[in-house]
Amino acid sequence: NAGVTQTPKFRVLKTGQSMTLLCAQDMNHEYMYWYRQDPGMGLRLIHYSVGEGTTAKGEVPDGYNVSRLKKQNFLLGLESAAPSQTSVYFCASSSRDWNTEAFFGQGTRLTVV
Amino acid sequence: AQRVTQPEKLLSVFKGAPVELKCNYSYSGSPELFWYVQYSRQRLQLLLRHISRESIKGFTADLNKGETSFHLKKPFAQEEDSAMYYCALKYQGAQKLVFGQGTRLTINP
Repeated sequence: NAGVTQTPKFRVLKTGQSMTLLCAQDMNHEYMYWYRQDPGMGLRLIHYSVGEGTTAKGEVPDGYNVSRLKKQNFLLGLESAAPSQTSVYFCASSSRDWNTEAFFGQGTRLTVV
Repeated sequence: AQRVTQPEKLLSVFKGAPVELKCNYSYSGSPELFWYVQYSRQRLQLLLRHISRESIKGFTADLNKGETSFHLKKPFAQEEDSAMYYCALKYQGAQKLVFGQGTRLTINP
């Protein structure tokens, strides 16, 4: 049982380049999330989705776009990468039950130079 | 807005000493509180949650609604407890899990 899988695990981008991070879950979860993790800042929510075809902004959405065309996949896009987007990105998923845990991917370490 | 505060960014204790990681939250209703742990270069994983009232790896946490706290405790720290710990909150009707800033716990030999 794979759980939540993120690709790629590492990436180095040049300023202005674009890329897409893929998150896939096999637990039939309705909710999916993208967080970024920065030292001293904890986990900050970028965007999230409560179902196929729906997305919503989190705390720090600027510079990112997302899509949830299939229930099991949640894509995070950077249209024009900036050094401030250097971070570790985590995807998570959970069921719609409010008191259940979220399951996390292994993270994507992105460096923008 | 709902908020989770972990006042200590760094906490260092000696092996065998008691550990307490603080977590305070702001929410007027009945939340569900979680503690997640992230070992070095691994994914976050659930350590324990309020509703289950379990003790995991010797850790416990009690919800104190009067003080709006959910502190994580362990009577005798082990070196393998060194990790990043996040407190998180969710409430009925919410779609988001709100995290604190995290506390990096280091257990010295």
